[in-house]
Amino acid sequence: GAVVSQHPSRVICKSGTSVKIECRSLDFQATTMFWYRQFPKQSLMLMATSNEGSKATYEQGVEKDKFLINHASLTLSTLTVTSAHPEDSSFYICSARGHGDSPLHFGNGTRLTVT
Amino acid sequence: EDQVTQSPEALRLQEGESSSLNCSYTVSGLRGLFWYRQDPGKGPEFLFTLYSAGEEKEKERLKATLTKKESFLHITAPKPEDSATYLCAVHPGYSSASKIIFGSGTRLSIRP
Repeated sequence: GAVVSQHPSRVICKSGTSVKIECRSLDFQATTMFWYRQFPKQSLMLMATSNEGSKATYEQGVEKDKFLINHASLTLSTLTVTSAHPEDSSFYICSARGHGDSPLHFGNGTRLTVT
Repeated sequence: EDQVTQSPEALRLQEGESSSLNCSYTVSGLRGLFWYRQDPGKGPEFLFTLYSAGEEKEKERLKATLTKKESFLHITAPKPEDSATYLCAVHPGYSSASKIIFGSGTRLSIRP
């Protein structure tokens, strides 16, 4: 149980274009979903927290107009990287949590390369 | 300030050589401590949740323990397939909405 599916696993896009990443909880309802960014050999950096039906809460230093998050249902959250630039190239990982004290379950990540 | 510190940063073991990874935490209360395994290019895979001091959880060659200040992940007779980065995360105790804090991980390498 507790499977989180993230798509796509890899994406290459040109500078200036937008990319959408989907995160779905397949067998549980996720009241809260989280988006992380991970640099090589570093730990997870929380970008934003989203609750179903409400606006996402962004961490300090994360541009909300560049990283648009939508949590339209209890099983789906999307991250759109708008007007991507090479410095946005990274590994993005989503996670989902059912009730408040349950562990986070992670998707398999999306490797974004902006050329 | 809430903190989670993992040690060592990296650990190389021979196959069959048992060892322990450490996760020290300083938080205002503890709602839960989690261990994850992360393979290169993948998302973290959930291993264990520990909620109170004295609690232990086991899965195959892994055993996680918890005290009021730290958690250990004991690896018994590891195999090469146990090579991965192991992440510790803490859910502080003010409310269920408080953010989970991750340690920087221990990169474990098991030589055949």
